[in-house]
Amino acid sequence: NAGVTQTPKFRVLKTGQSMTLLCAQDMNHEYMYWYRQDPGMGLRLIHYSVGEGTTAKGEVPDGYNVSRLKKQNFLLGLESAAPSQTSVYFCASRMDRGLTEAFFGQGTRLTVV
Amino acid sequence: AQSVTQLGSHVSVSEGALVLLRCNYSSSVPPYLFWYVQYPNQGLQLLLKYTTGATLVKGINGFEAEFKKSETSFHLTKPSAHMSDAAEYFCAVTPSGGGNKLTFGTGTQLKVEL
Repeated sequence: NAGVTQTPKFRVLKTGQSMTLLCAQDMNHEYMYWYRQDPGMGLRLIHYSVGEGTTAKGEVPDGYNVSRLKKQNFLLGLESAAPSQTSVYFCASRMDRGLTEAFFGQGTRLTVV
Repeated sequence: AQSVTQLGSHVSVSEGALVLLRCNYSSSVPPYLFWYVQYPNQGLQLLLKYTTGATLVKGINGFEAEFKKSETSFHLTKPSAHMSDAAEYFCAVTPSGGGNKLTFGTGTQLKVEL
C-alpha cells in the first residue's frame, strides 16, 4: 500500500541550483496538489492538477513549475532555488473535488543555502 | 477565495482534559470542511469531514466536530485528551459548489501534559 510517495525525502541545494521533486500516487486519483509548509503559515498551495496534462496555480506559485504528463505523477520544479524556498514540501492526491479525502506523502525537507 | 481561520497556534491541555481547537470559515455558502492531523515528521491524515445535514461529525481517535452555520465555525473537540493526541491539527476547506482547491488553515499545535 504505497499511497503517495515523494522523492527525495531530504535535499540541500545551493542558491541558483535547480531540482525536481517527484510525487507518485498509485490510487488512480485525478487531483494532485503541491503544498509548502512553513512555521506559523500552515500549508500553502503552490500548484495543483485536476487531471493528466492539466496544471493550475495556487496561492504561492512564483519560482515553481509543475508538470503532470502521467496521471500517477506530479512533478514540482525549482529552476533557480532561493533561500526563501527552504521549506517542507507536501504532495497530496484525491479522487476528485468536494468531499473526497486527500492523501498526503511524507514530505520533502528542502534547504537552500 | 474561501479560507479558514484557526484561533490559537498553540494549545496546551492536561491529560484527561477537554480538547477544543477552533476553526472558523469565511463563506456565505457553507463549504466542505475537514480536520487533518499531522504527527511529527509525517504527512497529514484525515480526522473527519463535514457532510451536509449532520451538524455533529464523529471522526477517528475520539475526535468530533460541530458545524455551526450561524457562527461559521467547525470546532474540533475531544472529551478527554491522551498523550498520543499531541500533534498539529489543521482545518481545511473546499468550496461546496465544486471548486478544485483544498485550502488549509495555519494549524494548531496541541500539547498534552501529564
